Amino acid sequence: ILNVEQSPQSLHVQEGDSTNFTCSFPSSNFYALHWYRWETAKSPEALFVMTLNGDEKKKGRISATLNTKEGYSYLYIKGSQPEDSATYLCAFPSPIDSGGSNYKLTFGKGTLLTVNP
Amino acid sequence: DAGVTQSPTHLIKTRGQQVTLRCSPKSGHDTVSWYQQALGQGPQFIFQYYEEEERQRGNFPDRFSGHQFPNYSSELNVNALLLGDSALYLCASSLHGAHVETQYFGPGTRLLVL
Repeated sequence: ILNVEQSPQSLHVQEGDSTNFTCSFPSSNFYALHWYRWETAKSPEALFVMTLNGDEKKKGRISATLNTKEGYSYLYIKGSQPEDSATYLCAFPSPIDSGGSNYKLTFGKGTLLTVNP
Repeated sequence: DAGVTQSPTHLIKTRGQQVTLRCSPKSGHDTVSWYQQALGQGPQFIFQYYEEEERQRGNFPDRFSGHQFPNYSSELNVNALLLGDSALYLCASSLHGAHVETQYFGPGTRLLVL
């Protein structure tokens, strides 16, 4: 059974603060790591797909890093805004067939970020 | 592009009943995956459909079944509903289902079993 862990479970920050949270995943048989942002009552929105050790990706004020050897990824938000309030999920793909061309996602429980104005 | 759509948005059923949830994938996508999110948990994989066939099933009983149509839309059926089936059911679509392919999610169907 794959174990994808996210910490902290929840986080409250003030507007303007920078913050970061962690996703831990199996370091063996690494394929990729997906980050999603999920606002209440909306669809989860894809942020990043990370594939290479040392990868760093950025989208506006949000960035993510990847360490496949030790099995973790960090998501950073610089200068948090109230509209950043959401649950941030990471997901680890694993193959669902012997050919290894089709994958399912195993999700962590998410980090709920609340940014207070 | 309408993105992934799901219907209905909410549903209330009683124990023992059957339910059908529907999903239309993002335009151009051929693979549909279903996930269940119970309270306090991350989404859990139910099964994936490609070319109208179930590729693999997660740790869910046979009461959960699905179907994919020639237009790639999909249905999730749950028979003999239990209280524990109360959850948010998410549909995700992708092209082929490769590990680097983003799965695009719908807003989900919230099912309450009384």
